[in-house]
Amino acid sequence: AQKVTQAQTEISVVEKEDVTLDCVYETRDTTYYLFWYKQPPSGELVFLIRRNSFDEQNEISGRYSWNFQKSTSSFNFTITASQVVDSAVYFCALSEGDNYGQNFVFGPGTRLSVLP
Amino acid sequence: ETGVTQTPRHLVMGMTNKKSLKCEQHLGHNAMYWYKQSAKKPLELMFVYSLEERVENNSVPSRFSPECPNSSHLFLHLHTLQPEDSALYLCASSQDSGGWYIQYFGAGTRLSVL
Repeated sequence: AQKVTQAQTEISVVEKEDVTLDCVYETRDTTYYLFWYKQPPSGELVFLIRRNSFDEQNEISGRYSWNFQKSTSSFNFTITASQVVDSAVYFCALSEGDNYGQNFVFGPGTRLSVLP
Repeated sequence: ETGVTQTPRHLVMGMTNKKSLKCEQHLGHNAMYWYKQSAKKPLELMFVYSLEERVENNSVPSRFSPECPNSSHLFLHLHTLQPEDSALYLCASSQDSGGWYIQYFGAGTRLSVL
């Protein structure tokens, strides 16, 4: 069965610090997809990035970057020069192959607080 | 207009009440989902609909009854709930129901069962 672990329950940083959110996953499938979502206080989960298991290329989008390493089953997320607006709960998620969405498994989330 | 809209945003109900949660998506998607988010548990998938047919029911108690009359609307009918059902209920939609597709979420309905 697939599983997503986010070992950091809560992180607090001061504005402009860099912060990395860890995500470790377990799956038996060779084809799978990894996602990051952000949940601000308003409640709505906002999609940030999707990766498939055959693409280990790291990605940078503005202040956000993602490091996907199959060897360690990790998909970590780094925010550079954090801002107060980055305060939210961040979820890593895993989906396996063509499973009609029913195995879209979320990690427990990491609550990030960015202090001014 | 937001992509996925949920109403009401907040709901308080007694254990003997019957109420319904509504979700509407304006993205032209074919798949819709209900999730439950409790304070101390990860997001739990409850139901999946693809082209208006239910394809997954994750052992959800029968006091939760979903309905998908068309690809744009999804309902969750509630009856004789328990206090432990208090949670944030999130609706999502995706272009199709395969694992590759991104799910887009509404802001949720915060449910309190007294």
